[in-house]
Amino acid sequence: AQTVTQSQPEMSVQEAETVTLSCTYDTSESNYYLFWYKQPPSRQMILVIRQEAYKQQNATENRFSVNFQKAAKSFSLKISDSQLGDTAMYFCAFTQGAQKLVFGQGTRLTINP
Amino acid sequence: NAGVTQTPKFQVLKTGQSMTLQCAQDMNHEYMSWYRQDPGMGLRLIHYSVGAGITDQGEVPNGYNVSRSTTEDFPLRLLSAAPSQTSVYFCASSYFMVGYGYTFGSGTRLTVV
Repeated sequence: AQTVTQSQPEMSVQEAETVTLSCTYDTSESNYYLFWYKQPPSRQMILVIRQEAYKQQNATENRFSVNFQKAAKSFSLKISDSQLGDTAMYFCAFTQGAQKLVFGQGTRLTINP
Repeated sequence: NAGVTQTPKFQVLKTGQSMTLQCAQDMNHEYMSWYRQDPGMGLRLIHYSVGAGITDQGEVPNGYNVSRSTTEDFPLRLLSAAPSQTSVYFCASSYFMVGYGYTFGSGTRLTVV
């Protein structure tokens, strides 16, 4: 079965600190895409960052960056200079075939003032 | 530019009742999907569609029915509601393939009593 594991159910850091969320996945496919989605208390699912598995360069979006280790099937998210608005549930996901996304269980991140 | 619109946002049903969750997108996306979100389980795929007239089952299809008569609309029908279907439901769409990332609706919180 193709799965995603987020080993940290909850994390809490102080504002302005750097935090890293872990994600490992299992797939037999050689070409796929990886994502981090953010779900704030509003419930809206927001795409944070996207990585193409065939690209070695790690994706970056402003304060958000990933550490993609394809051989280890690891895809961690680093949030630099964390802000109160980063408080949310974060989901790691990858594509299964062309039509499906497989999601992890989520990590609840709290940024404290 | 509305994106993905889901209605209703909240619903309470009695066991055995049926209802339809509506989903519409105005981005001319070919791919549309329904997910359910339960605590500790992330998002799980119920049904998906790769274009008008084409649907397929996801990971947890039992008790749900879908159809795709137009590119814009992808309703989800609960045939006979059960308490196990209490969940938050998300509709999502993607242009051509999921590797581009899904755009999600705002979700429907459904409670079955």
